[in-house]
Amino acid sequence: KQEVTQIPAALSVPEGENLVLNCSFTDSAIYNLQWFRQDPGKGLTSLLLIQSSQREQTSGRLNASLDKSSGRSTLYIAASQPGDSATYLCAVYKAGTDKLIFGTGTRLQVFP
Amino acid sequence: NAGVTQTPKFQVLKTGQSMTLQCAQDMNHEYMSWYRQDPGMGLRLIHYSVGAGITDQGEVPNGYNVSRSTTEDFPLRLLSAAPSQTSVYFCASSYSWGVETQYFGPGTRLLVL
Repeated sequence: KQEVTQIPAALSVPEGENLVLNCSFTDSAIYNLQWFRQDPGKGLTSLLLIQSSQREQTSGRLNASLDKSSGRSTLYIAASQPGDSATYLCAVYKAGTDKLIFGTGTRLQVFP
Repeated sequence: NAGVTQTPKFQVLKTGQSMTLQCAQDMNHEYMSWYRQDPGMGLRLIHYSVGAGITDQGEVPNGYNVSRSTTEDFPLRLLSAAPSQTSVYFCASSYSWGVETQYFGPGTRLLVL
């Protein structure tokens, strides 16, 4: 059974710090991995999608890496800002199924 | 484009009542899905559809029913509401499955008393 774990569950940092959020999954047979952002009371917004054949994706201050063999992904946020405060979720598409499996998220607070 | 829209935003039901959560998208996406989000459990897939007339069960389908008569709409029906169905429900859509980004609606918060 595919399980997705995110560590830490919560993180509070001062503005300007570089951050690393971690995501691990138990089954390396995936199509791809996605990182989402969720603001309180809102839906999910896709940040980055990494195909299983790729090692990383970048968008602005965000960089996500994927090591499929070890079942790990990291989301790197450079020069964090208060506007980055949100819950960050990773999800993997399990190969051979129609299922997108989500982690429980990392709640990030960036204070001025 | 409005993207993915959901109605209502919030609903209170009594145990045993039925209701339909509406979901619509205007992006001509073939793939649509319903998730529920509960504290400490992440998002779990309820039902999904790969096109009009085609639906299938996800991880937690019991107590829910879906149909897909058009590409745009994918309603979720609660047949007889139970307190265990208190949750936040999200609808999502994408062009295809497995390779494309999923777009999520704003969610429906449901409380069953």
